[in-house]
Amino acid sequence: DAGITQSPRHKVTETGTPVTLRCHQTENHRYMYWYRQDPGHGLRLIHYSYGVKDTDKGEVSDGYSVSRSKTEDFLLTLESATSSQTSVYFCAISASEEETQYFGPGTRLLVL
Amino acid sequence: AQSVTQPDIHITVSEGASLELRCNYSYGATPYLFWYVQSPGQGLQLLLKYFSGDTLVQGIKGFEAEFKRSQSSFNLRKPSVHWSDAAEYFCAVGAKNTGFQKLVFGTGTRLLVSP
Repeated sequence: DAGITQSPRHKVTETGTPVTLRCHQTENHRYMYWYRQDPGHGLRLIHYSYGVKDTDKGEVSDGYSVSRSKTEDFLLTLESATSSQTSVYFCAISASEEETQYFGPGTRLLVL
Repeated sequence: AQSVTQPDIHITVSEGASLELRCNYSYGATPYLFWYVQSPGQGLQLLLKYFSGDTLVQGIKGFEAEFKRSQSSFNLRKPSVHWSDAAEYFCAVGAKNTGFQKLVFGTGTRLLVSP
């Protein structure tokens, strides 16, 4: 299994509060991704990174920001959480844009 | 816009029976195609992938998939299902013109295995 950890694994928060999710990898892969998984939607790309300080938007980026200051860490921030952001969040990594993406165990977020 | 369709939300198969999960895509260019499996409460695990070459691809756990360009399909098959195959299966597609890193996932097919 690819060395990917996500923290926290579970979080309950209130509407309007900031939330940061962390993805950490030990594979030294260049690309890192954040997805959200919702019933009936499969997985949808939020943001991705193609190197330190290099990020781009995905399909559902509104309300989310990301940062990558080190190769191994990719942070996803919800500046002001809303109930519509209740979801399971998955981090993924790949060595290059054409390489297979490997997924972390997920973070279950509940926004009340 | 590109899209991926998994027409079956749920499928129930008897243990030992054969399985076929359908995946259709809509892309202008030759796609990169993937099947992932997700067990309850777990992340996604890659079963197999198609980039180019032989259109019949072998994966882990006895799964295979066939790329059919004329039908825009990449169906997943297994000749004999085991109870441990019960999980959710996702088809995903990437393409050069949209950026391989921007995978588009289908909505998933949940496989139930009956005794």
